[in-house]
Amino acid sequence: NAGVTQTPKFRILKIGQSMTLQCTQDMNHNYMYWYRQDPGMGLKLIYYSVGAGITDKGEVPNGYNVSRSTTEDFPLRLELAAPSQTSVYFCASQINRDTEAFFGQGTRLTVV
Amino acid sequence: DAKTTQPNSMESNEEEPVHLPCNHSTISGTDYIHWYRQLPSQGPEYVIHGLTSNVNNRMASLAIAEDRKSSTLILHRATLRDAAVYYCILRAQTGANNLFFGTGTRLTVIP
Repeated sequence: NAGVTQTPKFRILKIGQSMTLQCTQDMNHNYMYWYRQDPGMGLKLIYYSVGAGITDKGEVPNGYNVSRSTTEDFPLRLELAAPSQTSVYFCASQINRDTEAFFGQGTRLTVV
Repeated sequence: DAKTTQPNSMESNEEEPVHLPCNHSTISGTDYIHWYRQLPSQGPEYVIHGLTSNVNNRMASLAIAEDRKSSTLILHRATLRDAAVYYCILRAQTGANNLFFGTGTRLTVIP
């Protein structure tokens, strides 16, 4: 059981470039989340989804987009990378909001 | 979501019990109390959660005050592997769907 898998683990982007952070889970979880974590800080929610075809904004959605075409996958898209998006990104999933959330190992993104 | 207050850091000697406090004075009657921890360079991992009664699992115990305005995560015997940032989180049953992570408590375990 792989759990929550994120790719890539590391990436350096130039300002203005775009990329997609991949997240997939094999636990058939309905709820999926994208968080970012800046150095020395807690996690902040970017977007979340309560099921395929349903997404909603979190605390810090600006500069990001998501889609949820399948239960397993929840990619995060950065369209015009900015230095302020340098951070570690975590994807998470859970069966419902009252249960344990499982996190991926993170993607460390640097925008230069 | 209601917010929590935790000490920035704590230290413990290896193999001794650790009590990590959390204040949540604005908790509502249906908010669950969740604890997660984050080891260095890893994603957060679930530790325990509860509503009103004290809870035990293989990792830790959660003691919840009678008025629910505070709780304590108890690690019965700290090991070096328990060195992490511990987050106390309130989980609302309705409204915005979020686990709100504050800055947590950084636990240092001294050999």
